[in-house]
Amino acid sequence: QVQLQESGPGLVKPSQTLSLTCTVSGGSISSGSYYWSWIRQPAGKGLEWIGRIYTSGSTNYNPSLKSRVTISVDTSKNQFSLKLSSVTAADTAVYYCARAIRGWFGEWGERWFDPWGQGTLVTVSS
Amino acid sequence: EIVLTQSPATLSLSPGERATLSCRASQSVSSYLAWYQQKPGQAPRLLIYDASNRATGIPARFSGSGSGTDFTLTISSLEPEDFAVYYCQQRSNWPTFGQGTKLEIK
Repeated sequence: QVQLQESGPGLVKPSQTLSLTCTVSGGSISSGSYYWSWIRQPAGKGLEWIGRIYTSGSTNYNPSLKSRVTISVDTSKNQFSLKLSSVTAADTAVYYCARAIRGWFGEWGERWFDPWGQGTLVTVSS
Repeated sequence: EIVLTQSPATLSLSPGERATLSCRASQSVSSYLAWYQQKPGQAPRLLIYDASNRATGIPARFSGSGSGTDFTLTISSLEPEDFAVYYCQQRSNWPTFGQGTKLEIK
């Protein structure tokens, strides 16, 4: 059974870069059937997809965050990572990593997300 | 961007009652819609994928229907553990989620 676990600092200063890592266990991140994604949720609010990476290293990002986001993968460690630059208080949220089933819709994309990591709270404050 | 609108925002029901949650897309998403359940302090859990398919381990009281722009999640007889927030999600262009429906105990 695949499990995902987020790790990283819980406090980041404004204007700095948020960095998180997701460790995948119980399965290989190199499987061609999945995308590996980051999703966030501000307190009391809804879910926002940040972006995804494929085992090849190919990435796609939410247009609203694209200029600040970098997602990378380390297949040797079965991990993928998120970097979000120039953070502000608006980036305070619980950050989840999740596996997405890959599907063809005229282009490749996510069908659904399962499983999810437990989430990690990142607070942006000086 | 495809916008998903969920209704109602809050649904107050008693255990044993039937719950009907709605998700409407701003344009057609075919049948590529998923539903998730989220309890306080927990990650979302996949309930339904491709509009009407129950995920592994999801009880039969949960069912999904719809296609195009209008979708419904039905819980046939509410159990105490079903009171939570429910989100729908589509995948066109990039994944987006509805704003959620909070199912609370009446």
